[in-house]
Amino acid sequence: QKEVEQNSGPLSVPEGAIASLNCTYSDRGSQSFFWYRQYSGKSPELIMFIYSNGDKEDGRFTAQLNKASQYVSLLIRDSQPSDSATYLCAVSSGSARQLTFGSGTQLTVLP
Amino acid sequence: DAGITQSPRHKVTETGTPVTLRCHQTENHRYMYWYRQDPGHGLRLIHYSYGVKDTDKGEVSDGYSVSRSKTEDFLLTLESATSSQTSVYFCAISESMRGVGEQYFGPGTRLTVT
Repeated sequence: QKEVEQNSGPLSVPEGAIASLNCTYSDRGSQSFFWYRQYSGKSPELIMFIYSNGDKEDGRFTAQLNKASQYVSLLIRDSQPSDSATYLCAVSSGSARQLTFGSGTQLTVLP
Repeated sequence: DAGITQSPRHKVTETGTPVTLRCHQTENHRYMYWYRQDPGHGLRLIHYSYGVKDTDKGEVSDGYSVSRSKTEDFLLTLESATSSQTSVYFCAISESMRGVGEQYFGPGTRLTVT
């Protein structure tokens, strides 16, 4: 059984702070790693993906991958109230790149 | 999700009735997926398709069947709906063999089985 674990939160940070979201996975054959943002009542929206060890930056977002530790993280710099959402970690494997999701971390950015 | 639509968006049905949910894409992507989302469980894969008439089971496929007769349409059928199938259902698409196979999601269908 492939597992993806996330801290369920909720996580609260003040506006302008760095939010740190973490994820671990069980399948060492996992190929790529994704972060989705989901606002309440909406569908998941892809914000970052990473497939090589190290850091990947995109604007205020940085994804970090450590395959030896089976660990993925997402840093959100200069957090804004509009970043308040549930963040889903997903891991792909298999010939059709099927995704296994964590249960999500609810983030609240306080004005 | 401009290129992905799901219908219906909301449905209430009774236990034991058949239900079909439709996912339609305009992106001509090869791969399509059905997920369900329940509190505390994140999203779980029900079935997926890797081409017309090519489908396979996911993690939670019991009680569900799928069909894909055209590239743009992927149907999810609950043959005899049960209360445990009350959930939000999301369709996703991917052009998997390009890049890392990122998936893009439709708007979802909220299904209530009474």
